[in-house]
Amino acid sequence: DGGITQSPKYLFRKEGQNVTLSCEQNLNHDAMYWYRQDPGQGLRLIYYSQIVNDFQKGDIAEGYSVSREKKESFPLTVTSAQKNPTAFYLCASKAGSGANVLTFGAGSRLTVL
Amino acid sequence: AQSVTQLGSHVSVSEGALVLLRCNYSSSVPPYLFWYVQYPNQGLQLLLKYTTGATLVKGINGFEAEFKKSETSFHLTKPSAHMSDAAEYFCAVSEPGRYNNNDMRFGAGTRLTVKP
Repeated sequence: DGGITQSPKYLFRKEGQNVTLSCEQNLNHDAMYWYRQDPGQGLRLIYYSQIVNDFQKGDIAEGYSVSREKKESFPLTVTSAQKNPTAFYLCASKAGSGANVLTFGAGSRLTVL
Repeated sequence: AQSVTQLGSHVSVSEGALVLLRCNYSSSVPPYLFWYVQYPNQGLQLLLKYTTGATLVKGINGFEAEFKKSETSFHLTKPSAHMSDAAEYFCAVSEPGRYNNNDMRFGAGTRLTVKP
């Protein structure tokens, strides 16, 4: 079945460490997105990518980095510069500029100890 | 820029009662509107969407929503709640026709509790 795979599901990190969250899709979608979810705040966009080797900052990009070397993959690195990284992270994809529905992965929960 | 307001962060209903989750939007062009559902520690799943045409749209699990342009609303309803409907629900808006692919905006979410 086609879909989006996020890993790991749960991750614990010590302060000062970088951590990378994986997002892989086999939907042949062009656009990919990373959202951060905090209780009562809905989803906030971190980064998005419309094509390979290109990505743009979203509303809360500070302290995060991404790459898009392959169409299927859009990993997110949470750096030590992110002041409050504990959150639920969601990866999503969309077929292209004419598409209007986002498909989501199951999410990764990051806890900073 | 487009935006969404969901009225009520928590809604509680009894099993078998009507479910009504409220969503109002702001958009500079005729919008596309969406409802997503999220179960604990899961991603979001599309319930239904409005793009063009009929303003009453039906989705999965017996949910439906009506686009009311005059009220800038897109409320989600279900005639009879089931225990399995307990989840968090997100309303979202996008503006079609824009080149920028970053056009989806989500509400803060409404957590639905169903009492036996």
